[in-house]
Amino acid sequence: SQTIHQWPATLVQPVGSPLSLECTVEGTSNPNLYWYRQAAGRGLQLLFYSVGIGQISSEVPQNLSASRPQDRQFILSSKKLLLSDSGFYLCAWSSPGQWLLAGLYEQYFGPGTRLTVT
Amino acid sequence: AQSVAQPEDQVNVAEGNPLTVKCTYSVSGNPYLFWYVQYPNRGLQFLLKYITGDNLVKGSYGFEAEFNKSQTSFHLKKPSALVSDSALYFCAVRIMNSGYSTLTFGKGTMLLVSP
Repeated sequence: SQTIHQWPATLVQPVGSPLSLECTVEGTSNPNLYWYRQAAGRGLQLLFYSVGIGQISSEVPQNLSASRPQDRQFILSSKKLLLSDSGFYLCAWSSPGQWLLAGLYEQYFGPGTRLTVT
Repeated sequence: AQSVAQPEDQVNVAEGNPLTVKCTYSVSGNPYLFWYVQYPNRGLQFLLKYITGDNLVKGSYGFEAEFNKSQTSFHLKKPSALVSDSALYFCAVRIMNSGYSTLTFGKGTMLLVSP
């Protein structure tokens, strides 16, 4: 069966510090991978998604970036955190599919990382 | 514009009563619709989806959803609510962008089931 891991579970970082959140998936090959942010107001915002190694689409221009160094690893980074970066960060995976197919499949979410920027 | 809406921030229902959580959508082309549930401080869990076929879709934990094309709705239902159903529910729809598609989520509806 497939599992998805995220770490760390919680993180408190000062403004201006760097960030690295990691997501890994087990039990599937070449998944589509997604990063979302959920703010306190509960809405889910898609940040990045990837259909393969090195293939990443950015949905929202901001001080965050994503990388996919391995097939089942997805990393969310920032060089300098802002207060507005606080939130609940969720990684998700879905069955493989190129860009036009990515929205057809259900997504499976990790447990999330609670980030507080102080 | 392509979008999904959940008109209710919160739904209250007594245990044992039927529940409905509403969702409406606006997309170009055929809709692909999903429901997810989120428990506190957890990731979202997939409940069910509509791609094509029967308008009544059955999913996990006794939930079902009714697709209504004329009303552009995809309401989540359960015949008998449990206290443990209390959670945040999200409707999502596939939207088409230039050269790719993604899921867009509604703002969520908090379901509170009282004993």
